Order: sequence, then C-alpha cells, then structure tokens
Amino acid sequence: GAVVSQHPSRVICKSGTSVKIECRSLDFQATTMFWYRQFPKQSLMLMATSNEGSKATYEQGVEKDKFLINHASLTLSTLTVTSAHPEDSSFYICSARDRGQGWTGELFFGEGSRLTVL
Amino acid sequence: SQKIEQNSEALNIQEGKTATLTCNYTNYSPAYLQWYRQDPGRGPVFLLLIRENEKEKRKERLKVTFDTTLKQSLFHITASQPADSATYLCALAYYGQNFVFGPGTRLSVLP
Repeated sequence: GAVVSQHPSRVICKSGTSVKIECRSLDFQATTMFWYRQFPKQSLMLMATSNEGSKATYEQGVEKDKFLINHASLTLSTLTVTSAHPEDSSFYICSARDRGQGWTGELFFGEGSRLTVL
Repeated sequence: SQKIEQNSEALNIQEGKTATLTCNYTNYSPAYLQWYRQDPGRGPVFLLLIRENEKEKRKERLKVTFDTTLKQSLFHITASQPADSATYLCALAYYGQNFVFGPGTRLSVLP
C-alpha cells in the first residue's frame, strides 16, 4: 500500500523553541494532507487541512499562527509548532489522500510524531 | 454537531471468538463510513469503507455493516487472534466534507 513518512518520530525541545514536523507521501501525490493531534487514549482531532499550493484550512479553535502549515509540493507538507510550550506536548499525526482517488478514498497515515516540550 | 460514539472504551474477548465493535452517530447519516486500526504509538491503518447505500462489506475475517435507520455501524472480527488487539476507529464523512473520527475502542484478544 501507499506509504506516508513522518519525521521526526520523537522530538524533545525546550519551551519557547519552534519544532518542524515533515509529512511525505513516498509513492503517490497528495493534493490534500491532514494534520491531527491525539492525546492519550483519545481519538484523532483534526487540526487543519493542508492544500498543495494554497493556504491551509484550520479547524475551529486551532491557532494558525501557532501551528504553521506549509504544503509546497504534492508530496510534502510541514507542520511547525512555533514557540512551543508544555501544553503543546502531544502526538501529532499526518495523513494524505492519493490525488487520483476521490474525497472518499482511504487516508494513508504517517507514523506520528511525539512532541515533548520541557 | 455530529457526535460519534464507539461502544465501550475497551473490549476484552477470548481468542477464537467474534469481536463486535459498534459505532453510533447522532445526526443525519454520512455518505461514507470507514474503519481504521491503530496500534499504540502508531498512525491508523485503513481497513474498510462502506457507503450509505451498502448494507454490508467483507474483507477476510472482517465484516462491516451500516444501518442508517439505527444510525449505527458494526465492525466484526471473526476467529479473533491476539494479533487483532489494537484500537479500532470509525470515521464518518459527509459529501464534500472531511472524515470525522470516533473516540475508538481498544480491543484486547486474550489467548
């Protein structure tokens, strides 16, 4: 099946620093990628929809200046957590949909990135 | 807003039995419903998709049903194995909208 690579898998940073997480579709092109946040034993919370070549669409309550999303190519989307604080510590997951499929196509997920802010 | 419930937070069953997980929603029926498996510390993996006009879908030991009257989808794993232990998520989508995920059910298959 299609592969989505997410990097880094784990990152520990000091409060106030910025952290960039990359999401790459390795064997397909994705015009749309999604970023989620997941707390322990809770479901995925959609943060934003990343659209290639245009601005991301953020869900209600998600600060776009805090979570910067860039989707510069059909295979790469990045999420930057700016001025991270301990409450930003979480599991961040990206997903992508093959551009050749309709909007109902399965989502291919990355392995997730565990962010710990000290 | 749409509310998605998945039976219990955790479900324990004996190996070899059939596991049945439920996904209930409150508002009008979605156009599509998907089921995913998620292992600890990993991203979800797609299992099955079922459309609103389909009653049942099968894939190997997996079966999904979709009852728009009851506003419910059932996910069955027959002849369950310890390797089936994971969290299972249902996700609903309405035409032109993104999928919304349920809270998940953590399944443990005991040997």
